[in-house]
Amino acid sequence: NAGVTQTPKFRILKIGQSMTLQCTQDMNHNYMYWYRQDPGMGLKLIYYSVGAGITDKGEVPNGYNVSRSTTEDFPLRLELAAPSQTSVYFCASSTGTVRGEQYFGPGTRLTVT
Amino acid sequence: AQSVTQLDSQVPVFEEAPVELRCNYSSSVSVYLFWYVQYPNQGLQLLLKYLSGSTLVESINGFEAEFNKSQTSFHLRKPSVHISDTAEYFCAVSEGSSASKIIFGSGTRLSIRP
Repeated sequence: NAGVTQTPKFRILKIGQSMTLQCTQDMNHNYMYWYRQDPGMGLKLIYYSVGAGITDKGEVPNGYNVSRSTTEDFPLRLELAAPSQTSVYFCASSTGTVRGEQYFGPGTRLTVT
Repeated sequence: AQSVTQLDSQVPVFEEAPVELRCNYSSSVSVYLFWYVQYPNQGLQLLLKYLSGSTLVESINGFEAEFNKSQTSFHLRKPSVHISDTAEYFCAVSEGSSASKIIFGSGTRLSIRP
């Protein structure tokens, strides 16, 4: 199994451009998450989903949008990129129980200039 | 609201020396505790977790952590570190009432000197 895959690995955007970060999991997990990781700040939850068609905001949702049309895919959309969105983005999935671990993708390193 | 504090942002140690990475949490309900490890340029991986039962939990690569409810701590230890343990370590907490989210600490970067 591939687990959680993310594309692209790296991307440079100009201010105001938009892009979609892709995330796919093949573990049939209902729960999926998007985090951003800034140096020394740990992980901040952007959005999460508890199943197809259901999404909810996390701690830092401004400037982002998500959709969940299938169990496998959970894309993250940046509509108007800003320098403050320069970060490493991680997608994760889990079974959703409080006892369960989250499985992380390898990350996307995004730079907005 | 739950929160996680990792007291050290960086911990440098010599190879084969012992190490302790500190983690404290706050929560008003029962919690489940995790340590994740992030090797350079990779995503996070689960290292070990405390769900219930014995307060001392171990990983397959020699790390252990002890849940201390009275001190609300979940410190990670290893008696003798190896160069390959160089990574960033994240403590995380999941509350018994919330299946949807876990809260991560800010991370501790462990650097091993030969």
